[in-house]
Amino acid sequence: QAVLTQPSSLSASPGASVSLTCTLRSGNVNIYRIHWYQQKPGSPPQYLLRYKSDSDKQQGSGVPSRFSGSKDASANAGILLISGLRSEDEADYYCMIWHTSAWVFGGGTKLTVL
Amino acid sequence: QVYLVESGGGVVQPGTSLRVSCSASGFTFNQYGMHWVRQAAGKGLEWLAVIWSDGNYEYYADSVKGRFTISRDNSRNTLFLEIDSLRPEDTAVYFCARAGDEYSGGPDSWGQGTLVTVSS
Repeated sequence: QAVLTQPSSLSASPGASVSLTCTLRSGNVNIYRIHWYQQKPGSPPQYLLRYKSDSDKQQGSGVPSRFSGSKDASANAGILLISGLRSEDEADYYCMIWHTSAWVFGGGTKLTVL
Repeated sequence: QVYLVESGGGVVQPGTSLRVSCSASGFTFNQYGMHWVRQAAGKGLEWLAVIWSDGNYEYYADSVKGRFTISRDNSRNTLFLEIDSLRPEDTAVYFCARAGDEYSGGPDSWGQGTLVTVSS
């Protein structure tokens, strides 16, 4: 069973806000720094941000502030929030954590901007 | 600006070994950990290995432990991944990526990748 679970696909309209979730199967999500990446077809992933808490977070270089991170402790999940959705945000999004001495990716979410 | 250029991919026969390389520039190579990640066609990202800036520590995904070896040459600003006993399921684009710190921090910059195809 996967350590990190992401919905396989999501769609939203331009201008909307969308939350992409990354659910931890076991363990407490609050202890993890969750890293987020965007990947467009034919391109390598791009680092967006990492989030552990409001006092421990980092925005990737040049990444707009409409990309932000948070957590939902009740769901044991990390969240990537994209506000003011644009057509160029259509991409695959991956979360990643350091877990038992190895990095682990979630399966990725394909975001479609309708 | 960080530049990472992978090389060494190609078509290789099952059971053979291959070494892929990653040439780094635009940053002080010996101050950053480095990762290898792969992606099969149409699939998600799979983390493979990370090595500390000084080369003293390496960590591997369980799925590749014992068959993959990460190494680096700080004098040549180059990262390597040696893959033994290649299998068809190793067919993928192999990316190198810079860690966010000198240890095993998450990747913050990526190369374009090199395609490895394992086929007879």
